[in-house]
Amino acid sequence: QQQVRQSPQSLTVWEGETAILNCSYENSAFDYFPWYQQFPGEGPALLISILSVSNKKEDGRFTIFFNKREKKLSLHIADSQPGDSATYFCAARDNTGNYKYVFGAGTRLKVIA
Amino acid sequence: GPKVLQIPSHQIIDMGQMVTLNCDPVSNHLYFYWYKQILGQQMEFLVNFYNGKVMEKSKLFKDQFSVERPDGSYFTLKIQPTALEDSAVYFCASSPDNANTEVFFGKGTRLTVV
Repeated sequence: QQQVRQSPQSLTVWEGETAILNCSYENSAFDYFPWYQQFPGEGPALLISILSVSNKKEDGRFTIFFNKREKKLSLHIADSQPGDSATYFCAARDNTGNYKYVFGAGTRLKVIA
Repeated sequence: GPKVLQIPSHQIIDMGQMVTLNCDPVSNHLYFYWYKQILGQQMEFLVNFYNGKVMEKSKLFKDQFSVERPDGSYFTLKIQPTALEDSAVYFCASSPDNANTEVFFGKGTRLTVV
């Protein structure tokens, strides 16, 4: 049973387009949602994050839209570049107990020049 | 930025043998984590560790697994004995505390059990 779901599994966009990566969750105890970017052979690196009290977070070309009522969020990558090609993981922090992070299965993004 | 170092990057081990994966977390961090990622799949939480103790572990953290951080040195994941299904990439992570802070990940150790 996946607590954090991501779609699509893979996505291909042209350079300059906006890539939209989706994430949904079930656990109301999740209160913090970081997105991690992972290149092959590397560990995940934090890209951008949002707290559940906000509905939008922007950092340069990266924007998170968050809908708490529907338990959905999305990562928008504007003006996509070939260097953005990576796997993106949506994660959620459980604020009960010991604050563990639960990861989605990832979206593999490919940006074509 | 802060780096979590994992040693070795790749280890091949015979089924049934013991293996220890080493992690050098960021120096002032207090919370430590191990995650397991099978090729092409999501990262799955194994265990988190604070103040010398396991705080929480998942069902994937079998009895054959153990973690420790003796004398503030490496944070280690030991598997004894190993099984074929333990083949995966194991990521170590650390964070300064457990509230609203970035969790830093290492590059992972690819464990192959043959």
